Amino acid sequence: DAMVIQNPRYQVTQFGKPVTLSCSQTLNHNVMYWYQQKSSQAPKLLFHYYDKDFNNEADTPDNFQSRRPNTSFCFLDIRSPGLGDAAMYLCATSRDLAVAAGGYFGPGTRLTVT
Amino acid sequence: GIQVEQSPPDLILQEGANSTLRCNFSDSVNNLQWFHQNPWGQLINLFYIPSGTKQNGRLSATTVATERYSLLYISSSQTTDSGVYFCAVGGDYGQNFVFGPGTRLSVLP
Repeated sequence: DAMVIQNPRYQVTQFGKPVTLSCSQTLNHNVMYWYQQKSSQAPKLLFHYYDKDFNNEADTPDNFQSRRPNTSFCFLDIRSPGLGDAAMYLCATSRDLAVAAGGYFGPGTRLTVT
Repeated sequence: GIQVEQSPPDLILQEGANSTLRCNFSDSVNNLQWFHQNPWGQLINLFYIPSGTKQNGRLSATTVATERYSLLYISSSQTTDSGVYFCAVGGDYGQNFVFGPGTRLSVLP
């Protein structure tokens, strides 16, 4: 059974049109992460939630926002997508921060910006 | 910030061969992990190994924290081992978690 679910798997949006990506988990993990992975590059951590506490990486653009309404769900909002935001977006969870940053990964959402 | 290097960048093996992948990092870390990303993009956490040695089946990993490197050993490789292997490092509490550039492994039948 899938433990970290991302919807949709593929998303096409227009330049400048806001888009929301969704992640849900059945693990009841405290921590949820969002990563951006561009083609042939390593994943890059955007931010994470420890429970309801939001932690932004220093170089994450303001264009990227996140919401975590409850333990199971976390959303990535891109307010005004640019062509450079086309990438795979990976959601991950871990039981707590001290164990591992990014324990279980979802299958990703591939975002195309036209 | 911390720099992470991985070598080799690409590796091609015949099925059954053994290999060693290396990760070097520029500063002391409290969190080091190895990941495998399969050809379909799924990332799997292989090891959490800030120091010492761990083994899981045909895979094992060793981190020498004082010398700032970690090694991932793959024995008797299989075609399903193909993909990209990432080393990632960071602080205790998830902060500044940085992935290395990866080693792309291709195992040929």
